Amino acid sequence: DAGITQSPRHKVTETGTPVTLRCHQTENHRYMYWYRQDPGHGLRLIHYSYGVKDTDKGEVSDGYSVSRSKTEDFLLTLESATSSQTSVYFCAISETGHLNTEAFFGQGTRLTVV
Amino acid sequence: GQQVMQIPQYQHVQEGEDFTTYCNSSTTLSNIQWYKQRPGGHPVFLIQLVKSGEVKKQKRLTFQFGEAKKNSSLHITATQTTDVGTYFCAYSGAGSYQLTFGKGTKLSVIP
Repeated sequence: DAGITQSPRHKVTETGTPVTLRCHQTENHRYMYWYRQDPGHGLRLIHYSYGVKDTDKGEVSDGYSVSRSKTEDFLLTLESATSSQTSVYFCAISETGHLNTEAFFGQGTRLTVV
Repeated sequence: GQQVMQIPQYQHVQEGEDFTTYCNSSTTLSNIQWYKQRPGGHPVFLIQLVKSGEVKKQKRLTFQFGEAKKNSSLHITATQTTDVGTYFCAYSGAGSYQLTFGKGTKLSVIP
């Protein structure tokens, strides 16, 4: 497996609190992605990064922000968590992004907002 | 925008039967990838198709990319219980950094 670590793996938080999920890679890949996975919706892209400090919105970005201050780390922040953000979150990395090399996924973070 | 429909959403097969999932796009795709996610696991890359009409095989799995590059299929011959999971197609638009996934086909194999 590619060197991708997501933390925490599980988290329960209360509505209205901020939450930050971390994705750490040791592959030096340029492209990093955050997805959420919900039954019936598959994997939906939240935000992605194409370099340090270069990020852009995906399909379901409302309520989420990201930061990438160094190549290896991509942080996903829920500014004020809501129950609709209860989901499994996956980080993925890719070497060449739009040139479509394979994406490697982390193990996922299961987030529950109560 | 570009949308990909993946069908069927669910498929239950008897062990030994064949299985096919389809990915259909309203517009031409530059390429397509296929991933498998085991229950409780994370998506794992299977293959990428780039050329019009391309066919690739991996043991019992056959992947096809349509001549018009608007559809793709994954066919599994003689399913086994180890094939259980959800199969996703994924694509990027030309010049796009985004990797977008279909909703997946969940395969159950009855022993």
